[in-house]
Amino acid sequence: AQSVTQPDIHITVSEGASLELRCNYSYGATPYLFWYVQSPGQGLQLLLKYFSGDTLVQGIKGFEAEFKRSQSSFNLRKPSVHWSDAAEYFCAVGPGSNDYKLSFGAGTTVTVRA
Amino acid sequence: DAGVIQSPRHEVTEMGQEVTLRCKPISGHDYLFWYRQTMMRGLELLIYFNNNVPIDDSGMPEDRFSAKMPNASFSTLKIQPSEPRDSAVYFCASSPRDRGFYGYTFGSGTRLTVV
Repeated sequence: AQSVTQPDIHITVSEGASLELRCNYSYGATPYLFWYVQSPGQGLQLLLKYFSGDTLVQGIKGFEAEFKRSQSSFNLRKPSVHWSDAAEYFCAVGPGSNDYKLSFGAGTTVTVRA
Repeated sequence: DAGVIQSPRHEVTEMGQEVTLRCKPISGHDYLFWYRQTMMRGLELLIYFNNNVPIDDSGMPEDRFSAKMPNASFSTLKIQPSEPRDSAVYFCASSPRDRGFYGYTFGSGTRLTVV
């Protein structure tokens, strides 16, 4: 069965510093991988996705993620964090082999300090 | 496109009352999903539809929950009777099928409080 682990529940980073959020997945084949961001009181917004091809994918808001099959990881990065990046970030994998469902990780909350 | 539209944004109701949450998916999207988000359990898939037909309702917590999709542009999630433990944020999401799998587009959610 597919699953996602986000090892970090909460990360605090200074504005202007770099950010990396970890995501490990379990999936039986080549996965579809996603990162979503949720600002307080809002729905989830798709940041980027990986299906195949280049393992480094670019997304919106200056984010990028790298797929590493050997490590079953899909970590999210941003070189320089802005205060507006404070939010909760979710990694997701799917769909399943017989369905159309995404499995979401528990999320990582990012706090940005001035 | 206006995106996925959910109503109401906030709902406060008394225990035992019926609650109906509404969702309008993005036009042309074949799939519609209902999720529940709580601090304790995170994001849980409740049910999803393909072309208005329920495909998987294994996440529906109990018989008090029901969902319908009478047409391609409207879906409801009903809780009857409601209980305090149903308090959560309920999200609707939709997804197209053609040209591969592009992930979901989420609505802004309905924050339900049952007192």
